[in-house]
Amino acid sequence: DGGITQSPKYLFRKEGQNVTLSCEQNLNHDAMYWYRQDPGQGLRLIYYSQIVNDFQKGDIAEGYSVSREKKESFPLTVTSAQKNPTAFYLCASSIDSGRGEQFFGPGTRLTVL
Amino acid sequence: GENVEQHPSTLSVQEGDSAVIKCTYSDSASNYFPWYKQELGKRPQLIIDIRSNVGEKKDQRIAVTLNKTAKHFSLHITETQPEDSAVYFCAALLSSNTGKLIFGQGTTLQVKP
Repeated sequence: DGGITQSPKYLFRKEGQNVTLSCEQNLNHDAMYWYRQDPGQGLRLIYYSQIVNDFQKGDIAEGYSVSREKKESFPLTVTSAQKNPTAFYLCASSIDSGRGEQFFGPGTRLTVL
Repeated sequence: GENVEQHPSTLSVQEGDSAVIKCTYSDSASNYFPWYKQELGKRPQLIIDIRSNVGEKKDQRIAVTLNKTAKHFSLHITETQPEDSAVYFCAALLSSNTGKLIFGQGTTLQVKP
Protein backbone atom coordinates (compact mmCIF):
# COMPACT_ATOMS: atom_id res chain seq x y z
CA ASP A 1 0.00 0.00 0.00
CA GLY A 2 3.01 2.27 -0.04
CA GLY A 3 2.25 2.79 -3.73
CA ILE A 4 -0.99 4.66 -3.03
CA THR A 5 -0.76 8.30 -2.09
CA GLN A 6 -3.43 10.80 -1.09
CA SER A 7 -3.16 14.53 -0.73
CA PRO A 8 -3.60 16.64 1.17
CA LYS A 9 -3.46 14.90 4.55
CA TYR A 10 -5.67 17.57 6.14
CA LEU A 11 -8.11 19.83 4.32
CA PHE A 12 -10.32 22.60 5.58
CA ARG A 13 -13.25 23.84 3.58
CA LYS A 14 -15.69 26.64 4.00
CA GLU A 15 -19.34 25.87 3.48
CA GLY A 16 -20.37 26.25 -0.15
CA GLN A 17 -16.95 25.42 -1.56
CA ASN A 18 -16.04 22.50 -3.76
CA VAL A 19 -12.80 20.70 -2.92
CA THR A 20 -10.89 17.98 -4.74
CA LEU A 21 -9.03 15.17 -3.00
CA SER A 22 -6.17 13.55 -4.84
CA CYS A 23 -5.49 9.80 -5.08
CA GLU A 24 -2.57 8.39 -7.06
CA GLN A 25 -1.24 4.84 -7.35
CA ASN A 26 1.84 3.46 -9.09
CA LEU A 27 0.88 -0.19 -8.61
CA ASN A 28 -0.58 -0.58 -12.11
CA HIS A 29 -3.91 -1.47 -10.52
CA ASP A 30 -7.00 -1.37 -12.71
CA ALA A 31 -9.58 -0.77 -9.98
CA MET A 32 -9.80 2.18 -7.59
CA TYR A 33 -12.25 3.08 -4.82
CA TRP A 34 -13.25 5.98 -2.61
CA TYR A 35 -14.58 5.43 0.91
CA ARG A 36 -15.84 7.70 3.59
CA GLN A 37 -15.25 6.93 7.28
CA ASP A 38 -17.03 8.75 10.09
CA PRO A 39 -15.89 8.52 13.73
CA GLY A 40 -16.60 5.09 15.17
CA GLN A 41 -18.05 3.90 11.89
CA GLY A 42 -17.15 1.46 9.19
CA LEU A 43 -16.20 2.29 5.62
CA ARG A 44 -18.88 3.38 3.17
CA LEU A 45 -18.26 3.28 -0.57
CA ILE A 46 -18.66 6.56 -2.44
CA TYR A 47 -17.52 5.75 -5.99
CA TYR A 48 -15.49 3.07 -7.67
CA SER A 49 -13.79 2.56 -11.00
CA GLN A 50 -13.04 -0.84 -12.46
CA ILE A 51 -11.05 0.50 -15.37
CA VAL A 52 -9.82 3.80 -16.78
CA ASN A 53 -12.50 6.07 -18.26
CA ASP A 54 -15.24 4.24 -16.35
CA PHE A 55 -16.70 4.64 -12.87
CA GLN A 56 -19.86 3.77 -10.94
CA LYS A 57 -21.69 5.17 -7.95
CA GLY A 58 -21.29 3.45 -4.64
CA ASP A 59 -23.67 3.54 -1.70
CA ILE A 60 -23.32 7.24 -0.80
CA ALA A 61 -22.48 9.05 -4.06
CA GLU A 62 -24.76 12.07 -3.60
CA GLY A 63 -22.77 15.29 -3.34
CA TYR A 64 -19.59 13.74 -4.74
CA SER A 65 -18.07 13.42 -8.22
CA VAL A 66 -15.06 11.59 -9.65
CA SER A 67 -13.09 11.17 -12.84
CA ARG A 68 -10.77 8.43 -14.11
CA GLU A 69 -8.89 9.87 -17.05
CA LYS A 70 -5.65 8.09 -16.17
CA LYS A 71 -5.10 4.62 -14.78
CA GLU A 72 -3.01 5.91 -11.88
CA SER A 73 -5.30 8.75 -10.78
CA PHE A 74 -8.81 8.84 -9.29
CA PRO A 75 -9.61 12.29 -7.85
CA LEU A 76 -12.70 12.87 -5.72
CA THR A 77 -14.53 16.19 -5.67
CA VAL A 78 -16.66 16.99 -2.65
CA THR A 79 -19.25 19.45 -3.88
CA SER A 80 -21.31 22.01 -1.99
CA ALA A 81 -24.27 19.65 -2.41
CA GLN A 82 -22.72 17.31 0.18
CA LYS A 83 -24.37 18.58 3.34
CA ASN A 84 -22.18 16.85 5.90
CA PRO A 85 -18.75 16.42 4.33
CA THR A 86 -16.60 16.39 7.47
CA ALA A 87 -15.05 12.90 7.52
CA PHE A 88 -11.96 10.82 6.87
CA TYR A 89 -11.69 9.94 3.17
CA LEU A 90 -9.83 6.82 2.09
CA CYS A 91 -8.82 5.82 -1.40
CA ALA A 92 -8.04 2.21 -2.26
CA SER A 93 -6.92 0.22 -5.26
CA SER A 94 -6.86 -3.40 -6.33
CA ILE A 95 -5.15 -5.19 -9.19
CA ASP A 96 -8.56 -5.83 -10.71
CA SER A 97 -12.15 -5.92 -9.49
CA GLY A 98 -12.34 -9.70 -9.47
CA ARG A 99 -9.73 -10.64 -6.88
CA GLY A 100 -10.86 -8.44 -4.03
CA GLU A 101 -7.65 -7.42 -2.24
CA GLN A 102 -7.83 -3.70 -1.75
CA PHE A 103 -4.94 -1.60 -0.49
CA PHE A 104 -5.57 1.77 1.09
CA GLY A 105 -3.93 5.14 0.86
CA PRO A 106 -3.13 7.15 4.02
CA GLY A 107 -6.38 9.13 3.89
CA THR A 108 -7.45 12.77 3.84
CA ARG A 109 -9.21 14.30 6.81
CA LEU A 110 -11.69 16.91 5.58
CA THR A 111 -13.15 19.45 7.97
CA VAL A 112 -15.83 21.96 7.07
CA LEU A 113 -15.47 25.23 8.92
CA GLY B 1 -29.03 -4.73 0.24
CA GLU B 2 -26.16 -6.98 1.11
CA ASN B 3 -24.56 -6.45 4.49
CA VAL B 4 -21.94 -7.72 6.92
CA GLU B 5 -22.57 -7.78 10.65
CA GLN B 6 -19.60 -7.76 13.01
CA HIS B 7 -19.47 -8.57 16.74
CA PRO B 8 -18.51 -7.51 19.29
CA SER B 9 -18.18 -3.77 18.75
CA THR B 10 -15.62 -3.55 21.57
CA LEU B 11 -13.39 -6.20 23.08
CA SER B 12 -10.99 -5.90 26.00
CA VAL B 13 -8.53 -8.68 26.83
CA GLN B 14 -5.47 -9.14 29.00
CA GLU B 15 -2.11 -9.39 27.31
CA GLY B 16 -1.46 -13.00 26.41
CA ASP B 17 -5.12 -13.94 26.12
CA SER B 18 -6.87 -14.79 22.87
CA ALA B 19 -9.33 -12.55 21.03
CA VAL B 20 -12.09 -13.63 18.66
CA ILE B 21 -14.11 -11.38 16.36
CA LYS B 22 -17.04 -12.75 14.38
CA CYS B 23 -18.74 -11.63 11.17
CA THR B 24 -21.85 -12.77 9.35
CA TYR B 25 -22.51 -11.97 5.71
CA SER B 26 -25.66 -12.06 3.62
CA ASP B 27 -24.46 -12.62 0.02
CA SER B 28 -24.26 -16.42 -0.21
CA ALA B 29 -22.13 -16.15 -3.36
CA SER B 30 -19.38 -14.09 -1.70
CA ASN B 31 -16.05 -15.86 -2.09
CA TYR B 32 -13.44 -13.56 -0.55
CA PHE B 33 -13.22 -12.33 3.04
CA PRO B 34 -10.44 -9.96 4.16
CA TRP B 35 -9.65 -8.59 7.59
CA TYR B 36 -8.20 -5.12 8.10
CA LYS B 37 -6.50 -3.55 11.11
CA GLN B 38 -6.75 0.20 11.55
CA GLU B 39 -4.76 2.12 14.12
CA LEU B 40 -5.99 5.52 15.22
CA GLY B 41 -5.76 8.05 12.39
CA LYS B 42 -4.10 5.57 10.05
CA ARG B 43 -5.11 3.65 6.95
CA PRO B 44 -6.69 0.18 7.21
CA GLN B 45 -4.05 -2.50 6.70
CA LEU B 46 -4.89 -5.90 5.24
CA ILE B 47 -3.75 -8.47 7.83
CA ILE B 48 -5.23 -11.72 6.57
CA ASP B 49 -7.81 -12.94 4.09
CA ILE B 50 -9.53 -16.15 3.10
CA ARG B 51 -11.21 -17.43 -0.02
CA SER B 52 -14.19 -19.71 -0.05
CA ASN B 53 -12.27 -22.79 -1.17
CA VAL B 54 -10.64 -23.17 2.25
CA GLY B 55 -12.03 -23.32 5.75
CA GLU B 56 -9.11 -21.92 7.71
CA LYS B 57 -5.97 -19.89 7.18
CA LYS B 58 -3.26 -19.06 9.68
CA ASP B 59 -0.44 -16.54 9.75
CA GLN B 60 1.63 -16.65 12.95
CA ARG B 61 -0.68 -15.45 15.77
CA ILE B 62 -3.57 -14.65 13.46
CA ALA B 63 -6.06 -17.08 11.98
CA VAL B 64 -9.31 -16.80 10.09
CA THR B 65 -12.00 -19.48 9.86
CA LEU B 66 -14.84 -19.62 7.38
CA ASN B 67 -18.15 -21.48 7.58
CA LYS B 68 -19.85 -21.04 4.21
CA THR B 69 -22.93 -22.99 5.21
CA ALA B 70 -23.62 -20.68 8.12
CA LYS B 71 -22.27 -17.63 6.23
CA HIS B 72 -19.93 -16.53 8.96
CA PHE B 73 -16.22 -16.08 9.41
CA SER B 74 -14.05 -15.24 12.39
CA LEU B 75 -10.70 -13.68 13.23
CA HIS B 76 -8.67 -15.32 15.97
CA ILE B 77 -5.69 -13.59 17.58
CA THR B 78 -3.65 -15.65 20.03
CA GLU B 79 -1.11 -14.45 22.61
CA THR B 80 -2.35 -10.89 22.26
CA GLN B 81 0.09 -8.02 22.72
CA PRO B 82 -0.55 -4.32 23.44
CA GLU B 83 0.38 -3.47 19.83
CA ASP B 84 -2.60 -5.54 18.69
CA SER B 85 -4.83 -2.78 20.10
CA ALA B 86 -6.67 -1.25 17.12
CA VAL B 87 -9.96 -1.33 15.25
CA TYR B 88 -10.49 -4.46 13.18
CA PHE B 89 -12.81 -4.60 10.18
CA CYS B 90 -14.10 -7.65 8.37
CA ALA B 91 -15.38 -7.48 4.82
CA ALA B 92 -16.99 -9.65 2.17
CA LEU B 93 -16.56 -9.34 -1.59
CA LEU B 94 -19.86 -9.06 -3.41
CA SER B 95 -20.45 -11.70 -6.04
CA SER B 96 -21.38 -9.15 -8.71
CA ASN B 97 -17.77 -8.92 -10.01
CA THR B 98 -17.66 -5.20 -9.33
CA GLY B 99 -14.92 -5.60 -6.75
CA LYS B 100 -17.15 -4.08 -4.10
CA LEU B 101 -16.27 -4.97 -0.53
CA ILE B 102 -18.97 -4.71 2.11
CA PHE B 103 -17.42 -3.84 5.47
CA GLY B 104 -18.53 -4.67 8.96
CA GLN B 105 -18.89 -1.86 11.50
CA GLY B 106 -15.58 -2.62 13.19
CA THR B 107 -14.39 -4.00 16.51
CA THR B 108 -12.25 -1.93 18.86
CA LEU B 109 -9.77 -4.29 20.50
CA GLN B 110 -7.98 -3.18 23.64
CA VAL B 111 -5.16 -5.35 24.96
CA LYS B 112 -4.32 -4.46 28.54
CA PRO B 113 -0.70 -4.96 29.61
